[in-house]
Amino acid sequence: GNSVTQMEGPVTLSEEAFLTINCTYTATGYPSLFWYVQYPGEGLQLLLKATKADDKGSNKGFEATYRKETTSFHLEKGSVQVSDSAVYFCALSDLGSARQLTFGSGTQLTVLP
Amino acid sequence: GAVVSQHPSWVICKSGTSVKIECRSLDFQATTMFWYRQFPKQSLMLMATSNEGSKATYEQGVEKDKFLINHASLTLSTLTVTSAHPEDSSFYICSAPSLQGDTQYFGPGTRLTVL
Repeated sequence: GNSVTQMEGPVTLSEEAFLTINCTYTATGYPSLFWYVQYPGEGLQLLLKATKADDKGSNKGFEATYRKETTSFHLEKGSVQVSDSAVYFCALSDLGSARQLTFGSGTQLTVLP
Repeated sequence: GAVVSQHPSWVICKSGTSVKIECRSLDFQATTMFWYRQFPKQSLMLMATSNEGSKATYEQGVEKDKFLINHASLTLSTLTVTSAHPEDSSFYICSAPSLQGDTQYFGPGTRLTVL
């Protein structure tokens, strides 16, 4: 079956530090890959996505590249801000849409001023 | 963007009682909604798919008589945890897919504690 493995948190960084949150997956076929973010007290929001190998998703300074050879979709940001403090979820869908999502366990990020 | 709300945001109940959680799409219609359960520091686990006007589709291992789902309108789905027990304590999250199907809009979740 499908599965997503995320780097365990919590992760604490100073403002302007470089961020990487690792995500690897197991799936049949060619899944679409997603990063969702959950800010305190809010629902999960789509941060970025990639639908095929070598695609790069990007949004709000965050990037992730769909690496089929390593089955990975690591999230990166060059300079984090305090406002980036949230829980980040990696997810996949193998139905060509976001209707059936398999999630990783989430990574809590705290950015200190 | 589209908004999904949940009510209540948290609830504490006694063992043996039933609890209803509402999920509403506030500015769009949703013929389908999803219900997830999340344990501390674990993934969101899909429990069931709620379908407007028809029966919900439950994932393997989820008791349909325990977790009753009703999708009575295009903007409201409810999850009722019947005869709740402490092991049902969890964080319940609903979502609705976008019209294009390229993302899901999530509610903020409901924290259920059964004493």
